[in-house]
Parts: sequence; structure tokens; C-alpha cells
Amino acid sequence: QVQLVESGGGVVQPGRSLRLSCAASGFSFSTYAMHWVRQAPGKGLEWVAIISYDGSIKYYADSVKGRFTISRDNSKNTLYLQMDNLRRDDTAVYFCAREKFEFGGANPFDYWGQGTLVTVSS
Amino acid sequence: EIVLTQSPATLSLSPGERATLSCRASQSVSSYLAWYQQKPGQAPRLLIYDASNRATGIPARFSGSGSGTDFTLTISSLEPEDFAVYYCQQRSAWPPHTFGGGTKVEIK
Repeated sequence: QVQLVESGGGVVQPGRSLRLSCAASGFSFSTYAMHWVRQAPGKGLEWVAIISYDGSIKYYADSVKGRFTISRDNSKNTLYLQMDNLRRDDTAVYFCAREKFEFGGANPFDYWGQGTLVTVSS
Repeated sequence: EIVLTQSPATLSLSPGERATLSCRASQSVSSYLAWYQQKPGQAPRLLIYDASNRATGIPARFSGSGSGTDFTLTISSLEPEDFAVYYCQQRSAWPPHTFGGGTKVEIK
């Protein structure tokens, strides 16, 4: 069955960096676009970034552009989010999510990980 | 950027009642709208995609309608497990893949 398992969250000081991982299993990872979505405590969902199935196309929310980098290693079935220059308002649960259809970029998200909490605090 | 506005923010209903949730887009998204359900401490779950298509395993009491800028998620008869927060999301013009602010369906 499809599984997405995030890791790498934790408490980090403002201005520092953190890298999140999302280990995928149960499907052909290399043929699906993947996303990161975050949710601040008590708030709604905010889309963060997308990477195409082959890693050639990446887009970011304006709120993280220039600070976050999405990447993937299809040989390891793993998605990453490198977060640099973290700010207090980056505090959130970060979810990775798979698109419903292969080779997409604009499809709904049919599988989600359980999320990993990132807390930016001094 | 397309903005999605969901209403009401909170819906107080009893089990067995019909729930009607609205999502309005700032510009046309054609039929490229999805609905998700999220329970506390859990990841969102895809319910409806492309305005009216139920995702795999979603009960028939959930239905979606609309096109252009106005969309509705209807739960025909609320079950206890349906009390949750619901989000709409558009995929017509991206990035970003915007979400609405959510509607909480709570027990009256």
C-alpha cells in the first residue's frame, strides 16, 4: 500500500536550517509529482512547493521562495525539503503529498504523510 | 493568484442532518476543484476531485457540484465520523495550488 513517511522536524532557532525527508513506498515514486504542504498550529493548509516526477520542474509559494528548496532522489524513493533562513512564521506541521495521477503537476493530492512538526523558536 | 473563500467558517449540525459547504473562487477554475477532509491530528483526505468525482473509497453521502467560481460540498446525512474540517483546493491556475480557509463541521 502507498505510504509516505516524513522525518526531520524539530525545534530550530530563527535563521538556522533544517532538512525534511519524505520516504515513499508502495508505488512507482519516480512517475509522480510530489508536493509539500504545511499547516501552522490551529490554522489552515498552505501549499509550499511542487517537484515534477523527474525533478526538472520546481515551483514554490512566495512565502518560501529563495529560502526553501525541494528535491527528490528517485533511486531512494525520497522527497526532500531543505529549509534555510527559517523564520518564526515557518512553524508548522509539514506534510508531503502525492498527486493522484502520474506525470502530472496539477492534480489533486490523493496520499499524504502523517506530517512532521517544525518549530522555529529561540 | 486565485483566492478560495469558504463559507461558513463553522457549521453546527446534528448527526443525520444535511451539510452544505460552499467554496467560492476569485476567478474561474473551471471544474478543477477538490475537497479534502481533515480530522484533528491527521493528514487531510481527498474526498472529491474535479468538482464532482468521488475519490476512491469515499462514501456516496459525499457529493460535490459546481463549476466556474461557485462550488458546493454536500454531505447528505452526517455520520459521527464526518465532524471535521473541510478544505477546498484549486488546480486550475498554478502555482500556487491554493487552498480555501476551511469549514469546520461541528456537532450541535
